[in-house]
Amino acid sequence: KNEVEQSPQNLTAQEGEFITINCSYSVGISALHWLQQHPGGGIVSLFMLSSGKKKHGRLIATINIQEKHSSLHITASHPRDSAVYICAVSRGTSYGKLTFGQGTILTVHP
Amino acid sequence: SQTIHQWPATLVQPVGSPLSLECTVEGTSNPNLYWYRQAAGRGLQLLFYSVGIGQISSEVPQNLSASRPQDRQFILSSKKLLLSDSGFYLCAWSIGDTQYFGPGTRLTVL
Repeated sequence: KNEVEQSPQNLTAQEGEFITINCSYSVGISALHWLQQHPGGGIVSLFMLSSGKKKHGRLIATINIQEKHSSLHITASHPRDSAVYICAVSRGTSYGKLTFGQGTILTVHP
Repeated sequence: SQTIHQWPATLVQPVGSPLSLECTVEGTSNPNLYWYRQAAGRGLQLLFYSVGIGQISSEVPQNLSASRPQDRQFILSSKKLLLSDSGFYLCAWSIGDTQYFGPGTRLTVL
């Protein structure tokens, strides 16, 4: 079993829909990261969080440390949100090394 | 501000040929540096990380090696490429938990 599991693996939505991507992990962490990978391959860090909730524009990330679970929400989705969303965790003694989930492929249709 | 450079952006190499991918970071000192690989249809995997000049840790046994000859320079090498070395290679840096990714190199071994 992978240390970081994401669901769903593929997600298709219509423009305007509310989207949720889930991430569960099985190890102790110092932080959880949400990354976005565009079709060209470049990766952008969206959020890093260790507790609670963060919001940036239409994106919201939450984490429940007790349940070892995080969610990434996209409100009012748009075709430009189409990308691969990756959950990753860092562990306090690991020199910042990340362990990645398999990613969620999101496609938003107009 | 900090920036990270990788080159080349794309590379096609024959099996058995050598490889050298370079990554440089600007605007920061003594960062942790990482090489990741994303094979086709698979998630990101950490290959090497470095916490200082000349200090390299390998995460998985493989046909590749890494070197850090200067504080902000990280090189990924191979003496003889295999077909299985094909993939998307990403360099990243961090100070603390936040990671910043380079634009990546897409390597195809034929």
